[in-house]
Amino acid sequence: GQNIDQPTEMTATEGAIVQINCTYQTSGFNGLFWYQQHAGEAPTFLSYNVLDGLEEKGRFSSFLSRSKGYSYLLLKELQMKDSASYLCAVRDLGYIPTFGRGTSLIVHP
Amino acid sequence: EAGVTQFPSHSVIEKGQTVTLRCDPISGHDNLYWYRRVMGKEIKFLLHFVKESKQDESGMPNNRFLAERTGGTYSTLKVQPAELEDSGVYFCASSPLATKEQFFGPGTRLTVL
Repeated sequence: GQNIDQPTEMTATEGAIVQINCTYQTSGFNGLFWYQQHAGEAPTFLSYNVLDGLEEKGRFSSFLSRSKGYSYLLLKELQMKDSASYLCAVRDLGYIPTFGRGTSLIVHP
Repeated sequence: EAGVTQFPSHSVIEKGQTVTLRCDPISGHDNLYWYRRVMGKEIKFLLHFVKESKQDESGMPNNRFLAERTGGTYSTLKVQPAELEDSGVYFCASSPLATKEQFFGPGTRLTVL
């Protein structure tokens, strides 16, 4: 089975940087995803890591350490529209991702 | 390009009734997935189609759930008879073959009273 852990809620200030952590335990590993989901909307793909290291994409970066079973999503220059739920999902040796419960990020002025 | 669409957006039914959810994937996407999120829990996989064939239905809760994808285009998920614990948001996602990213629909919120 798989176990994915991420904080339930985080708050941050507009313009700041926030790091959302995700730890996982899986029987195999075939990639880790981060999705953003605004309330009532579809989850949207943010990033995919399968090798160790940092992947940067604009204001968002995602890091992976396979040996530690650990990833983080880094959001820079926070904007109010970044308030959303951030979902960590891990694939084992198959192709179906297992999702964490999500981290609700609240950005305030 | 149109995204994944789902119908209806909301459905409220009574226990014992039947409900059919529909998903229209992005045109040309052979992979189609159904997921469910029960309130307070994580999104959980239900099943996966490749074209019209069921590739993996290991996540289907029980035989009250029936999914079809006739012709390999849109898919339906029927719950019959519905029970209280079936309440939740049902998401559909699609992707082309051999790609990692899945494109999600907005979900159908099902409430069973």
